[in-house]
Amino acid sequence: GENVEQHPSTLSVQEGDSAVIKCTYSDSASNYFPWYKQELGKRPQLIIDIRSNVGEKKDQRIAVTLNKTAKHFSLHITETQPEDSAVYFCAAMDTGRRALTFGSGTRLQVQP
Amino acid sequence: DAGVIQSPRHEVTEMGQEVTLRCKPISGHNSLFWYRQTMMRGLELLIYFNNNVPIDDSGMPEDRFSAKMPNASFSTLKIQPSEPRDSAVYFCASSLSSGSPRDTQYFGPGTRLTVL
Repeated sequence: GENVEQHPSTLSVQEGDSAVIKCTYSDSASNYFPWYKQELGKRPQLIIDIRSNVGEKKDQRIAVTLNKTAKHFSLHITETQPEDSAVYFCAAMDTGRRALTFGSGTRLQVQP
Repeated sequence: DAGVIQSPRHEVTEMGQEVTLRCKPISGHNSLFWYRQTMMRGLELLIYFNNNVPIDDSGMPEDRFSAKMPNASFSTLKIQPSEPRDSAVYFCASSLSSGSPRDTQYFGPGTRLTVL
């Protein structure tokens, strides 16, 4: 099955700086990679996703890149704001189970 | 649309008791997922349904856990008997897709279960 590794587990940045979270996956057939944001005590919510036919996708201050050869994908947040503070989860499609496998999460803290 | 609805939001019970968690997916969604979230194990998929049929239950920890989806608008996750190690937040999620879970999954607010 799919195995997703996520780094770092915690990340602290100053407001206005960029933040990068990286994930690797094991299933070379995986073709869908969403990112979820979970604020304290709340539900995970999709913030951006990428499919394997593109290498990069951007939505305002958030971008995701995918390197299928290396089997890794990354989340980039620019001009971070305190409201970006949350736990971020990457996920990859397990083509065998036809279900998402989630990374272990990154706790991002944006210092004002 | 109200989104995915879960009940109860919080449940505190004693070891050995039966616990039933409930979920109402978004209307029109054909896929429903049950997840468990803990600090130690993160977000784990327990089971998912397509068109009310269980497709993959390989994540269900043991026979004490069971899930049903009697119709398109309701699902239950039951733990019997409950144990302290079952304490976690249980999320239900749903998506449009009728044959593949590639579509966006929308999560419910979760049920925080504490087993004493």
